[in-house]
Amino acid sequence: GAGVSQSPSNKVTEKGKDVELRCDPISGHTALYWYRQSLGQGLEFLIYFQGNSAPDKSGLPSDRFSAERTGGSVSTLTIQRTQQEDSAVYLCASSRLTGAGPSQPQHFGDGTRLSIL
Amino acid sequence: AQKVTQAQTEISVVEKEDVTLDCVYETRDTTYYLFWYKQPPSGELVFLIRRNSFDEQNEISGRYSWNFQKSTSSFNFTITASQVVDSAVYFCALSEEGTGNQFYFGTGTSLTVIP
Repeated sequence: GAGVSQSPSNKVTEKGKDVELRCDPISGHTALYWYRQSLGQGLEFLIYFQGNSAPDKSGLPSDRFSAERTGGSVSTLTIQRTQQEDSAVYLCASSRLTGAGPSQPQHFGDGTRLSIL
Repeated sequence: AQKVTQAQTEISVVEKEDVTLDCVYETRDTTYYLFWYKQPPSGELVFLIRRNSFDEQNEISGRYSWNFQKSTSSFNFTITASQVVDSAVYFCALSEEGTGNQFYFGTGTSLTVIP
């Protein structure tokens, strides 16, 4: 079946502009995660959704970052007034939720490579 | 404190050599899950394996094997007879029953297999 889909795959924008990144998870996956990966770095957790609610927003770097999820499916990550340090690959992952806790592996999209000029 | 530590930042081996990637984790939960992911140069992270805290049995899948030792809080990954296609960044991750569905990733180990 279809995997996690992210769009756009690449985004180049000027400093100060707003950007919106989209994630379409695997059908039936209730949990959705956003991560940021800077060049040569590990994964930085941003936010997690369970259904449409976000129990954990602790990773959002600043109030310029926000995310929403509607219909328990597609999620958008919005970065307002972008800064050069926002340049990174933004990865989305989804997983099933079961009664066995966080036991299910995450399935990742290809990411959106964001470059702020 | 880092919940998942991958001390090896970069490793280079010659093709056909065996290589072990180390992963040390930290948790107070009795129920937790450990994962390994592979990120090839193309970029997409690929799930390799999951272990739960109650199953310390080591696992082998082809040239890949995993050694889970609770006594040392380690979940090491060994590639036998490495191939060029194994070149990638490998991430170890932890999830805990007590912290909802949060996943903690290590900083990754970049493996280069030289032909």
